Amino acid sequence: EVQLVQSGAEVKKPGESLKISCKGSGYSFSNYWIGWVRQMPGKGLEWMGIIYPNDSDTRYSPSFQGQVTISADKSITTASLQWNNLKASDTAMYYCARPHWDSGWHGVDYWGQGTLVTVSS
Amino acid sequence: DIVMTQSPLSLPVTPGEPASISCRSSQSLLHSDGYSYLDWYLQKPGQSPQLLIYLGSNRASGVPDRFSGSGSGTDFTLQISRVEAEDVGVYYCMQAQETPYSFGQGTKLEIK
Repeated sequence: EVQLVQSGAEVKKPGESLKISCKGSGYSFSNYWIGWVRQMPGKGLEWMGIIYPNDSDTRYSPSFQGQVTISADKSITTASLQWNNLKASDTAMYYCARPHWDSGWHGVDYWGQGTLVTVSS
Repeated sequence: DIVMTQSPLSLPVTPGEPASISCRSSQSLLHSDGYSYLDWYLQKPGQSPQLLIYLGSNRASGVPDRFSGSGSGTDFTLQISRVEAEDVGVYYCMQAQETPYSFGQGTKLEIK
């Protein structure tokens, strides 16, 4: 059974660093793109970027390029999303997700449970 | 970047009645392989999004046949033939034709 299990909720202060994770299991982790999606409180879904764990090929949305770092560690079948300088505007739910097929990132039918990040002084 | 525009943004529907959501892209989503890279997702209250339709018109596994997707190029439609109470939530289209991929604003379906 394919599963994506995300790390737990975080409460941080502005300026702090944070890394959240998404552990994949039940499939060949290296061979499927994993993506991250942001959902700010009461708002819609925003595509942040994707990574191909096998070679770490990464694509970012211009809106998030330079603001976050997406990474993946094949040895522990885990993808991560990292901030070096959190802002209050980073407060959101973050989802990781995997597509059905091992080509591209469409037909995304496996989603993590979401990680709520709260940034407040 | 490709911009996705959905309408309506709010959709009150009586159970048993049909519903339709439109999604338009600022560029064609028709790939050289003949497929339109347009998905539909439903996010039920308090849940992660779930896939309904992929490649414009293909129902995902386990999705009831009252859901159907159509369209190609820049204009797409999600139709629900007979709305049920369990269909409430926010519906999103998403283009996967080219990065950065992008979602529509979402359409909130509620039961009258």
